[in-house]
Amino acid sequence: DIVMTQSPDSLAVSLGERATINCKSSQSVLYSSNNKNYLGWYQQKPGQPPKLLIYWASTRESGVPDRFSGSGSGTDFTLTISSLQAEDVAVYYCQQYYRMPITFGQGTRLEIK
Amino acid sequence: EVQLVESGGGLVQPGGSLRLSCAASGFTFSGYWMHWVRQAPGKGLVWVSRINTDGSTTTYADSVKGRFAISRDNAKNTLYLQMNSLRAEDTAVYYCARDHSTVTDYWGPGTLVTVSS
Repeated sequence: DIVMTQSPDSLAVSLGERATINCKSSQSVLYSSNNKNYLGWYQQKPGQPPKLLIYWASTRESGVPDRFSGSGSGTDFTLTISSLQAEDVAVYYCQQYYRMPITFGQGTRLEIK
Repeated sequence: EVQLVESGGGLVQPGGSLRLSCAASGFTFSGYWMHWVRQAPGKGLVWVSRINTDGSTTTYADSVKGRFAISRDNAKNTLYLQMNSLRAEDTAVYYCARDHSTVTDYWGPGTLVTVSS
C-alpha cells in the first residue's frame, strides 16, 4: 500500500497568516501517461464529512476559495492557505488515488493562534 | 444538487451483521463508481470498498475482505454495504462517496456503526 505521511500533525496560525501543510507519499503518485498526480486534499470540520478542496494535486474544486492552493509532484505535496480565515479551522487530509487501496494521510489539525 | 444519504447504522454485537444503504440523488447514479470510507471515533479516514458502475467489479480493503460485500441497485439509485462477522474495530462512521474520474468528490454525512456487547 502507498503510505501517506502528513506534517505537521497540528498547526496553529494567526488569522490572516499563511498556513502550509505537507504530504509525502511512499511512492510516486504521478502517472506518466497523462502527467497527472493522483493526489487530493480534503477539509473536515467537526461532525461533517470530508469536503474535497483540491484534486490532481493542484486543481481547485468548484466553489473552493482561491486562498486554498495545492502544489507538488511525484512524492511531495503541499496545501497552502494564503490568508487564514476563522472558518478554515478543521482537519485536513491528503489522499492518493493512484493505486488501490486508496490511502489517506493521518490528518493535520489546523487551529487559530 | 448531488446528495448522498447513508442509513442503516446502529449498535450491533460482535459477530453480528448490518446492512448499510446510501441513497443517491441529483446525478446519474448508474454512471459513477462508488466507494465506502470509514472513520473510527477520533481517528482518520480509511477506505473500505469500491464498486464499478454496473456492480460487476468490486474491491475491498484487506481488513474487511471476506466479511463485507458492496453492491448497488441502479434502478433504486442506492449503494449498499453488507457487513458480516463484525468486530469491535469496525466501529466507525461509514461514508459513501462518489467517484468522479477516480476522485472521491462528494460524500454523504455518514452513518455510525457501533460494535459492542
